Amino acid sequence: GESVGLHLPTLSVQEGDNSIINCAYSNSASDYFIWYKQESGKGPQFIIDIRSNMDKRQGQRVTVLLNKTVKHLSLQIAATQPGDSAVYFCAENIRGAQKLVFGQGTRLTINP
Amino acid sequence: EAGVAQSPRYKIIEKRQSVAFWCNPISGHATLYWYQQILGQGPKLLIQFQNNGVVDDSQLPKDRFSAERLKGVDSTLKIQPAKLEDSAVYLCASSQMDRGYYNEQFFGPGTRLTVL
Repeated sequence: GESVGLHLPTLSVQEGDNSIINCAYSNSASDYFIWYKQESGKGPQFIIDIRSNMDKRQGQRVTVLLNKTVKHLSLQIAATQPGDSAVYFCAENIRGAQKLVFGQGTRLTINP
Repeated sequence: EAGVAQSPRYKIIEKRQSVAFWCNPISGHATLYWYQQILGQGPKLLIQFQNNGVVDDSQLPKDRFSAERLKGVDSTLKIQPAKLEDSAVYLCASSQMDRGYYNEQFFGPGTRLTVL
């Protein structure tokens, strides 16, 4: 069935560098895309979302880019900090259903 | 405001035993979700409630899993009998109800189930 997936399972970056986490999706009937952060032993925590009629949205140190042509979503984290170490999931909201479909996740590790 | 509460946080059982998980959503949130998250994977929706009615249970293994949300607030998820492949984290989430539109889901800490 249709699903959201991620290109890389792990990503290691140096503290202070920028991180880019990618996601590919296949469901055209999605109206929102969301990035979640999940730390060990905790539930997913909302980071940022983007509506399907937008191509870029910025938050505090984070930017989400949406390319509907190639069905690609990315999360950019500026000046990564040790507290950014976690697993990051992209998810898509199925239009009209309030139903999220999650990808597999990328583990981000920050090296000192 | 208080977040989504879940209990227990951890549970270890043997296969063929039964187990139940409890969730208390954020006050005022009409929509409640149960997800199953197998190690290394993203959460997978098991069942979605709107108030005390089931909206989507298409991925719930109904031969062994059941869930209820009496009075439209707290919810319980039960597994009977458990199988080894049920080992996972069971996440509860809630959101406000805005029919047909996306509403942010807030997740609880989850219950980690180990089936031996």
